[in-house]
Amino acid sequence: EPEVTQTPSHQVTQMGQEVILRCVPISNHLYFYWYRQILGQKVEFLVSFYNNEISEKSEIFDDQFSVERPDGSNFTLKIRSTKLEDSAMYFCAIPLSPVDSEAFFGQGTRLTVV
Amino acid sequence: AQSVTQLGSHVSVSEGALVLLRCNYSSSVPPYLFWYVQYPNQGLQLLLKYTTGATLVKGINGFEAEFKKSETSFHLTKPSAHMSDAAEYFCAVRSNSGGYQKVTFGTGTKLQVIP
Repeated sequence: EPEVTQTPSHQVTQMGQEVILRCVPISNHLYFYWYRQILGQKVEFLVSFYNNEISEKSEIFDDQFSVERPDGSNFTLKIRSTKLEDSAMYFCAIPLSPVDSEAFFGQGTRLTVV
Repeated sequence: AQSVTQLGSHVSVSEGALVLLRCNYSSSVPPYLFWYVQYPNQGLQLLLKYTTGATLVKGINGFEAEFKKSETSFHLTKPSAHMSDAAEYFCAVRSNSGGYQKVTFGTGTKLQVIP
């Protein structure tokens, strides 16, 4: 079972600031997902990323969001200019393959925008 | 498009009682179905999954779920609740029509176990 580490575990940022959330799979993966969970609400899909390209994104994933694989191992989610409503838990998930039925989730990063 | 409906945002059971968390799905193709558990301040952990084959699937911690196509349901059960089962449970569906398919989650059910 692959392991996924997300950093930081908790980040507090001021509105309008840029944040970068990181996801590090223990084994080398080409594909990952980002999800978010606003407090008290359901887990929502943001984006899927395969082989250095976005393969699918939701309506939530607007121009202020971007994803990268900057160094061949880490996956990052960048929010360019944070808004109060971006406060949420952000989860990275790694499927075993693009069509695999099972995804392994990280522990999440709690983002608080003040 | 696929979707999931979880009935009951909060469920309370007594320790030792049956746990039943309801999930109904909608999918245009045969679905893959999952139950995830989220303990306080933690990530999502896979409890069990249904892909193909046997419709009754067993997961970790004594949980099981039965895929009923005729009822489009995938309810989660456990015969005897334990205090450590208190958590939030998410039903999820993923289409297996090929390509990159995202997992769509339900709104979650918080399980409270009363001593």
